[in-house]
Amino acid sequence: AQSVAQPEDQVNVAEGNPLTVKCTYSVSGNPYLFWYVQYPNRGLQFLLKYITGDNLVKGSYGFEAEFNKSQTSFHLKKPSALVSDSALYFCAVRDMGNSGNTPLVFGKGTRLSVIA
Amino acid sequence: DTGVSQDPRHKITKRGQNVTFRCDPISEHNRLYWYRQTLGQGPEFLTYFQNEAQLEKSRLLSDRFSAERPKGSFSTLEIQRTEQGDSAMYLCASSSGGLDTEAFFGQGTRLTVV
Repeated sequence: AQSVAQPEDQVNVAEGNPLTVKCTYSVSGNPYLFWYVQYPNRGLQFLLKYITGDNLVKGSYGFEAEFNKSQTSFHLKKPSALVSDSALYFCAVRDMGNSGNTPLVFGKGTRLSVIA
Repeated sequence: DTGVSQDPRHKITKRGQNVTFRCDPISEHNRLYWYRQTLGQGPEFLTYFQNEAQLEKSRLLSDRFSAERPKGSFSTLEIQRTEQGDSAMYLCASSSGGLDTEAFFGQGTRLTVV
């Protein structure tokens, strides 16, 4: 069965510094990978996805993520953090190894705190 | 599109009562998902519809839980004989196209069982 690990419960970064939120996954076939963000009292919002092609994918609000097949990772990055980026971030994977009719499986989430 | 809409936003119920939640997906989205999220955890998959067909159910979905999507439009999630462990945020999401498309989430229904 597919799984996602977000090894850090909390990431603190100073405003203007680069940020990285880590994600590793386990699947039997090819992965479809997603990042979502959750602000307080708001629903999960889609940030970006990797399906195939270029390993570096760009998404909303200046975020990007790099797919690394050998390390089974899909870390979320941003070159310069903003205070408004402070939120809960979720990595998710869909395993396309079997029928493909598998659900999106989420990690536990990483709380990002950007300090002014 | 007005986004995925869930009703009610909050529900407090006594243990043993039945509750029903509604989800209105983005129009023409053929896939609809139900997830449950508890504090400090990511969303956990409950069940999934493609049009009106329920294609997948998690083992988390006990016999007390039932979901429907009549006519492939809105969906309902019913919990019978609620238990305190059912207290959680229940999230609905919808998507269109293939499995490579992202799902759009509603704001959720927060259930508290007292």
